[in-house]
This record gives sequence, structure tokens and C-alpha cells, in this order.
Amino acid sequence: NAGVTQTPKFQVLKTGQSMTLQCAQDMNHNSMYWYRQDPGMGLRLIYYSASEGTTDKGEVPNGYNVSRLNKREFSLRLESAAPSQTSVYFCATYRQGPHQETQYFGPGTRLLVL
Amino acid sequence: QKEVEQDPGPLSVPEGAIVSLNCTYSNSAFQYFMWYRQYSRKGPELLMYTYSSGNKEDGRFTAQVDKSSKYISLFIRDSQPSDSATYLCAITEDYKLSFGAGTTVTVRA
Repeated sequence: NAGVTQTPKFQVLKTGQSMTLQCAQDMNHNSMYWYRQDPGMGLRLIYYSASEGTTDKGEVPNGYNVSRLNKREFSLRLESAAPSQTSVYFCATYRQGPHQETQYFGPGTRLLVL
Repeated sequence: QKEVEQDPGPLSVPEGAIVSLNCTYSNSAFQYFMWYRQYSRKGPELLMYTYSSGNKEDGRFTAQVDKSSKYISLFIRDSQPSDSATYLCAITEDYKLSFGAGTTVTVRA
């Protein structure tokens, strides 16, 4: 039981390059999320997928696209990377239950755009 | 104005002290209130959650919610060096969580 896994762990890109961040979960949770974390800014929601087949914009979606490939996988794509996208990216799942709602986070992907 | 405001810190306390962390929020529709702990270069992990006003204890940790004031707190008693981390408050509305910016706490041995 790996929980939430993310690949790669670290990536360096040049401005204008593209890449896809991968996320997979084995907890059978319906909802998945992508956040970015910058110093002093906390976690900001980029996109989320409430259930398989649906995606919605979060607080900072510009410059990103997502794909909910199936229930397990949710990928984040940067089509043309910019230095402002240098950040730590976290994927998360969401569990709802009686009087309990919480998110489980992956270990993060550190992205540096030069 | 952000939906969730958190005291930025950082906080540095001696071992054994009580750590007090606070957040305020603006949306009365928020349903669940959570505290996450994040160690350096790791993902956040859930520490405590609650959904009603009042106190909730779990070992050395107490989460406090005052819905009338839109104010939440986390207290850490008998703090240990292993409590040194960044603490984030989070509040939910339906499927979406709004996070505070986080407070970095250092407990000095």
C-alpha cells in the first residue's frame, strides 16, 4: 500500500519546455488534487478532480492542464514552462466519511524552471 | 483577502513549552477544520480534524474551534524537538480545502 506516489521527485526545465507530472493512488479515493507550494504562500490549489471523468480549476490554473486518466491516476502538464512555475508540486487525494474528511498527500515534486 | 489567514511565525520555543498556533477564516460555509504537520522536504500529513466548535484533544495536541469568531487554534503541550515542523491549518467546503500559509515551529532542546 503505497498511498499517493508522484514522479518525478525533482526536475529541472528550461523556459518553454514542457513536462507532465504524474500522480497515482492506491487508496480507491474518488477525488484527486494538484497543489503548488511556494514560500510564504501555503498550498494553492491548481486543479482538482472530484471524480473520475471530471476536472475543475482551482485558485491558480493558468499555465497548467490536467488529465484524470482513470480513478488511480491524475496528471499535471506544463505546456510551456515559465520561471514563475518553479515550485514544489503536491498531489493529494480526498476521503469523505461520517464526520471525517481529509486529504492524503504525496511526497511532492520539486520543479526548477530556468 | 485570503479565505484563511494564519500567523506566519516563525516560532521558536524551548523544549517543554506550550506551542500556540492560530488561524482565522472568512467563509461561514466552511465545514471541517484540520491541522496538518509538514516536515522539511515532505508532504503534509494530517494531525487533527474537527467539525464543531469546542476543543478536541489527542495526546499532547488540542484543536480548538470558535465558529462565532471564525477562529481556530492548535495547542501543543510539552513540546519536543520532534515537533519542529511547519503547521498548516486547512478548512473545507465541499470538495475543496483552503490552506493557511503555515507557521514554522522550532522546539529547542
